[in-house]
Amino acid sequence: SQTIHQWPATLVQPVGSPLSLECTVEGTSNPNLYWYRQAAGRGLQLLFYSVGIGQISSEVPQNLSASRPQDRQFILSSKKLLLSDSGFYLCAYLRTVNTEAFFGQGTRLTVV
Amino acid sequence: AQTVTQSQPEMSVQEAETVTLSCTYDTSESDYYLFWYKQPPSRQMILVIRQEAYKQQNATENRFSVNFQKAAKSFSLKISDSQLGDAAMYFCAYRVDTSGTYKYIFGTGTRLKVLA
Repeated sequence: SQTIHQWPATLVQPVGSPLSLECTVEGTSNPNLYWYRQAAGRGLQLLFYSVGIGQISSEVPQNLSASRPQDRQFILSSKKLLLSDSGFYLCAYLRTVNTEAFFGQGTRLTVV
Repeated sequence: AQTVTQSQPEMSVQEAETVTLSCTYDTSESDYYLFWYKQPPSRQMILVIRQEAYKQQNATENRFSVNFQKAAKSFSLKISDSQLGDAAMYFCAYRVDTSGTYKYIFGTGTRLKVLA
């Protein structure tokens, strides 16, 4: 069976510090991978998606970057966090065109 | 650009009653998928129901059904016999195929409260 792991679950970071959120998928190969951000009271905003190793597409200009060093690993990073980076971050994967996206349990990031 | 609009930030329903959540979308594509996801307080995103645009028949999953109006670009979710466990944020989503890459566009969500 396929599973998706996302960590950490919660994170409190000072402004200006670096960030690394990790997402891994098990039980499938060559998935489409996604990073979403959910700000308080708002919907899910697509940040990045990846169709393969080293292939990253950015949806919105921002202080964040993403990388896919392995087929089933997707990393969200920042060199210097801003207060506005606070939010709930969700990783998701799509196995095949005929299925829905499956989501990780999310990371609540608070930048202080 | 594809957009998804959920015009009801919050809805309430009495337990055992029926409620309909609205969703409209904008697209120039003829073939696509639509989804309703539920996000309970745990914040885990759970698929409720999905609809393929080429299918005219409305999707149904137990107490959940959709009213898909392709020409009007409308995709509403009906919850029958509402239960306390249905209380959650509900997101409507549209999946677009961009050169073989599948992107999900989400609405801003509707918070559903179920009253005992």
